[in-house]
Amino acid sequence: EIVMTQSPATLSVSPGDRATLSCRASQRVSSNLAWYQQKPGQPPRLLIYDVSTRATGIPGRFSGSGSGTEFTLTISGLQSEDFAIYYCKEYNNWPPFTFGGGTKVEIK
Amino acid sequence: QVQLVQSGAEVKKPGASVKVSCKASGYTFTDHYIHWFRLAPGQAFEWMGWISPNSDDINYAAKFQGRVTLTRDTSTSTAYMDLSRLRSDDTAVYYCARVAVTGLPHFVYWGQGTLVTVSS
Repeated sequence: EIVMTQSPATLSVSPGDRATLSCRASQRVSSNLAWYQQKPGQPPRLLIYDVSTRATGIPGRFSGSGSGTEFTLTISGLQSEDFAIYYCKEYNNWPPFTFGGGTKVEIK
Repeated sequence: QVQLVQSGAEVKKPGASVKVSCKASGYTFTDHYIHWFRLAPGQAFEWMGWISPNSDDINYAAKFQGRVTLTRDTSTSTAYMDLSRLRSDDTAVYYCARVAVTGLPHFVYWGQGTLVTVSS
């Protein structure tokens, strides 16, 4: 069973700054890695899949990178609507799908 | 537009069962699988299983095997998730979801979530 570990658990960032979120897989997941954003009271929203492909309608300030077991989501120029919880999800040999525990991006 | 609308919050006692519904609209219901997930307090999202358009392909996550039953009613475009023998750690928000493109595991469409609280 693959374990996905996200860090940090909480990230305090000022509006306009860059946020860098990490996700580590316990074994290689190739490029089968996605990122979701969730705001309170809402379902998750797909941001990125296949490590670095932005989903439809996702602004260019969201970017993903990495390979194998180490992945990064970067949010450049944080806007007020970006303060949320972010989850990585692997889908190597799905099902199942395994999610990380999330990183909360809060206002500094 | 594609919409998945779930049933309302539930409060159940330990040992009971809960059935959550997910009514789809805005697309041909029989064209897509429906998946179910949950998010418990302080935990990661968990995938629970999927059900195919004509219910001939149902796959449950190992953790929920034997306790969860997925069904769908094509006449009402509604999918159902039934979880039995509830425990306090089943307290969570349950979501139905659909991928954008069949075969690609990217969940673009989600229900609004249903809070299930298990408490004596």
